[in-house]
This record gives sequence, C-alpha cells and structure tokens, in this order.
Amino acid sequence: EAQVTQNPRYLITVTGKKLTVTCSQNMNHEYMSWYRQDPGLGLRQIYYSMNVEVTDKGDVPEGYKVSRKEKRNFPLILESPSPNQTSLYFCASSFHQGYGYTFGSGTRLTVV
Amino acid sequence: SQELEQSPQSLIVQEGKNLTINCTSSKTLYGLYWYKQKYGEGLIFLMMLQKGGEEKSHEKITAKLDEKKQQSSLHITASQPSHAGIYLCGAALNAGGTSYGKLTFGQGTILTVHP
Repeated sequence: EAQVTQNPRYLITVTGKKLTVTCSQNMNHEYMSWYRQDPGLGLRQIYYSMNVEVTDKGDVPEGYKVSRKEKRNFPLILESPSPNQTSLYFCASSFHQGYGYTFGSGTRLTVV
Repeated sequence: SQELEQSPQSLIVQEGKNLTINCTSSKTLYGLYWYKQKYGEGLIFLMMLQKGGEEKSHEKITAKLDEKKQQSSLHITASQPSHAGIYLCGAALNAGGTSYGKLTFGQGTILTVHP
C-alpha cells in the first residue's frame, strides 16, 4: 500500500532531551516535507526537501533539523525540545509539482 | 495576517444543503490544493488547480480557481454527514514554489453537517 509512515504516533518528552521523529515513504517520491499544526495557527511548513541531500527551510524552521540521506526517509530532529514545540506534526511526500502531497497520520508531540 | 485566508472559519449546515468555502490570497496562486482532514488525523488530498479559470469535480465536490489566480472556491452539493471535517487550502505562493514543494496552507474551515 502506498503510504507515508511516521513514528511514533504519540510522544511525551522532557525539555532538552533530543528526539527524532521518523518519516518514510514507499512511493519513490522526490519531494518530502514536514509541517506542524497548531490551533489558531493552522498548518505551517518546517522544512522541505526536493531530493536526496537537497533541503530548505520552510516558514518555521527554528529548533528543528532534517536530513535526506535516502530518497524514502526524511527524519525530523529536535536537538533540544522546548514546550513551545508541543504540536501535531505531519510528514508529507509528493512525486512532482502538480501532484498533491500525501500526508502521514501525524505525530502528537508533548514537551513538558 | 495569514497569506492564505479561508472563509468561513466554521460552517454548520443541514444535510442536503449546498455550501461554499473560499480561499483567498493577495498573491498569485501557483498551484492550489484542497485537502480534507478529520480532527487529529492526516490530510486527504481532494484536488489540485493550476490554471486560471480551471474547474474540477469529484463526486459532489467542485473546486474552481478564478481567472486572476488569487481566489479558489470549494463547493459541496447536497452535503452529507460524511462531508464533515476540516477543509484546508494549500498553495505555492511563488513561481518556484510548485517546483520546490513549498506550500502554504490556510487556517482551515470546520464543516459540520447535521443529519
């Protein structure tokens, strides 16, 4: 089944403890992206990648890192999480311009 | 202020009624995407519009992009409870945006359909 898989689905962590949210797609898509969704602020793009080793900042990149060493994987790294990074995170991938992004099921992160 | 404004923010309709959701930008929309989301879940792609004046339909949902490519509307005919959810528009707001996968989203419209 064609899909974008994020792990974990739920995560509670403490301030400052490094964490990684994994994202994998099995559709050979070129484009991958990370978004966070917050009440009243909507869906905001964190980072996006056009292909392997090609990434760029979205609208809210501060406090996040990404890497694209393989086409299928696009992990989101929080080196030192803070409570303001508590949010619902989505990974998405797309084949090319003109195609809609396929979204993962989301990761609900709570930083205490 | 949001670069993409959706209206209304929420909508409550009776089953069987028609409804329209709007997505407006002060910038040219290079690629306009409509998604549906169930609360707390992932987004489901509905359709994509690129050309001014373009219109697409899928089942009872029709989306249009105006000639100036600054506004899109999503119209649902004879709404059903299964249409309930959050509708989001997303767009590339610069010419390179569609090439680079950089999309900006509106805040969403919460649709409730009463049986």
